[in-house]
Amino acid sequence: QKEVEQNSGPLSVPEGAIASLNCTYSDRGSQSFFWYRQYSGKSPELIMFIYSNGDKEDGRFTAQLNKASQYVSLLIRDSQPSDSATYLCAVNINFGNEKLTFGTGTRLTIIP
Amino acid sequence: DTEVTQTPKHLVMGMTNKKSLKCEQHMGHRAMYWYKQKAKKPPELMFVYSYEKLSINESVPSRFSPECPNSSLLNLHLHALQPEDSALYLCASSQGDRGVYNEQFFGPGTRLTVL
Repeated sequence: QKEVEQNSGPLSVPEGAIASLNCTYSDRGSQSFFWYRQYSGKSPELIMFIYSNGDKEDGRFTAQLNKASQYVSLLIRDSQPSDSATYLCAVNINFGNEKLTFGTGTRLTIIP
Repeated sequence: DTEVTQTPKHLVMGMTNKKSLKCEQHMGHRAMYWYKQKAKKPPELMFVYSYEKLSINESVPSRFSPECPNSSLLNLHLHALQPEDSALYLCASSQGDRGVYNEQFFGPGTRLTVL
């Protein structure tokens, strides 16, 4: 079983709709969770991080964490064509540890 | 300043060349990272420096040699690379202190081509 799993997509969402990206992880002791957005040919950009169960909102983005079910999700409201990118889920398994474990990424396409 | 900078942006080198990649951050971060990323794959950790000391080496071949001259600078020295080493090389930094959550911030990367 992979440590961090994401559906590779592509995920196609109409402009203005909600895009929902999911990520599951295998280590129950995982402490912190990150979402990176990566445009083609560019470097990953940190867009959200979450540490506690529940929802965390930042603008059009909401990160959701459920440690009991070992999943973390990212919702993008009012999706825009500029949101088209690959979204990488990353998990820090040990508190304070420097190592992030990345999922393989989900490619999101927003259809105008 | 929340930026990690990397030079050069692009590098083409032969298998016998020696070159270096450079990374700099001025966020006061004490952990710095080198990643390698191939097309359509996630970043793959190579090295971690914590407080200017090498703390993680992910069994990287010796033709890659990291160096951390001070807390703001990170270099990756390249020698006798293979064509399969062609990739996007990413530098990242994080606060690095134990007991904090260590969000990592990436630089723009160096696109390396080995001929």
